[in-house]
Amino acid sequence: EVRLLESGGGVVQPAGSLRLSCAASGFSLSNYAMTWVRQAPGKGLEWVSSISSGSVSTYYADSVKGRFTISRDNSQNTLYLQVNSLRAEDTAVYYCAKTMGRNGLYYFDYWGQGTLVTVSS
Amino acid sequence: DIQMTQSPSSLSASVGDRVTITCRASQDIRNYLAWYQQKAGKVPKLLIYVASTLQSGVPSRFSGSGSGTDFTLTISSLQPEDVATYYCQKYNSAPLTFGPGTKVDIK
Repeated sequence: EVRLLESGGGVVQPAGSLRLSCAASGFSLSNYAMTWVRQAPGKGLEWVSSISSGSVSTYYADSVKGRFTISRDNSQNTLYLQVNSLRAEDTAVYYCAKTMGRNGLYYFDYWGQGTLVTVSS
Repeated sequence: DIQMTQSPSSLSASVGDRVTITCRASQDIRNYLAWYQQKAGKVPKLLIYVASTLQSGVPSRFSGSGSGTDFTLTISSLQPEDVATYYCQKYNSAPLTFGPGTKVDIK
């Protein structure tokens, strides 16, 4: 059974940083691209970032480019999102999603339960 | 960047009704389109990919069609468990934009 478990969210002050993690199980992480998607309270889904299976390619939404960094450790079956210079508008539930294909630009067949990031002073 | 729009933004229909949701891309995305269902307080669930391929385990009352810029998600006979918000998503290139969502409830 595919499982994705996010962690690392919390309350952080503006300009602060967090490192989100997503522990994957039930499939071979090294065979799939992975993605972070976020959802602000009461709002729709927003794609944040994707990474190819071997970390060769990374992609970012303009809204987070230069502030967020996606990475992965296939040996540890873990996906990461380093979020820096946080703003109030980054407040959201952050989901990791298993991405069909290896290159990073595809649809998402499994989602984690999400981790909440709240940016507030 | 390619923009994704959905219509309507919300709808209310009776059990057993045929429901159609439209998703439009501002440029040709061929058939690189997926549909997701998100029930209140739950995680999004993949329904359809490549515009018309039903994900395993999804009831056959769901179907998708379209290519290029215009796509539809159809629920052939609305059921109470279909109350949710539905999102389209393009994946032909980055950014992997979602539509704004269509909220479906029961009349």
